[in-house]
Amino acid sequence: SQELEQSPQSLIVQEGKNLTINCTSSKTLYGLYWYKQKYGEGLIFLMMLQKGGEEKSHEKITAKLDEKKQQSSLHITASQPSHAGIYLCGADITGANSKLTFGKGITLSVRP
Amino acid sequence: KAGVTQTPRYLIKTRGQQVTLSCSPISGHRSVSWYQQTPGQGLQFLFEYFSETQRNKGNFPGRFSGRQFSNSRSEMNVSTLELGDSALYLCASSLADRGSGYTFGSGTRLTVV
Repeated sequence: SQELEQSPQSLIVQEGKNLTINCTSSKTLYGLYWYKQKYGEGLIFLMMLQKGGEEKSHEKITAKLDEKKQQSSLHITASQPSHAGIYLCGADITGANSKLTFGKGITLSVRP
Repeated sequence: KAGVTQTPRYLIKTRGQQVTLSCSPISGHRSVSWYQQTPGQGLQFLFEYFSETQRNKGNFPGRFSGRQFSNSRSEMNVSTLELGDSALYLCASSLADRGSGYTFGSGTRLTVV
């Protein structure tokens, strides 16, 4: 089974709508990272969370870390076509601070 | 400051050949890690180098190898290419301090025919 599960697998929303995607770990999280990727391109860093209860925001994107549930959520407010892409969560689940384990990613489409 | 630079961006190779990919990290970053991304398996960790030493290795066959130079630039090599090695290869650089984050390059798209 996957060590990092992302849900939903894909999402289509109307422009202007809010949305939330999740990332759940089966192991202890030593750091949780959110990235965005356009197909075939590199990963764009969005947010890094380290402490339980931590919440960070950048423009219209907010990420939270629930340490007890070993889960992170990413919320987008008033979605725009520019938010479309693949959202990947990566985590340090070993504490070695030398590698990230990634989920399968969530494909987000935003309809104008 | 300059980001993570990967070269080449695209590569087409024939089965059985070998290939070398290059990654130049952000200035001051001493850790470089490599990942393979395929539609079926997603992003998988290959290996990580810090100060010219391999610190961590993923579950890939010995055909996949890497090295890091004194200027922190890293190369990865794949020998005896197989069709299944077709993938996007991404490298990430980091300060390697806890919480310092990982910055990824644009990747090298390898196609094996």
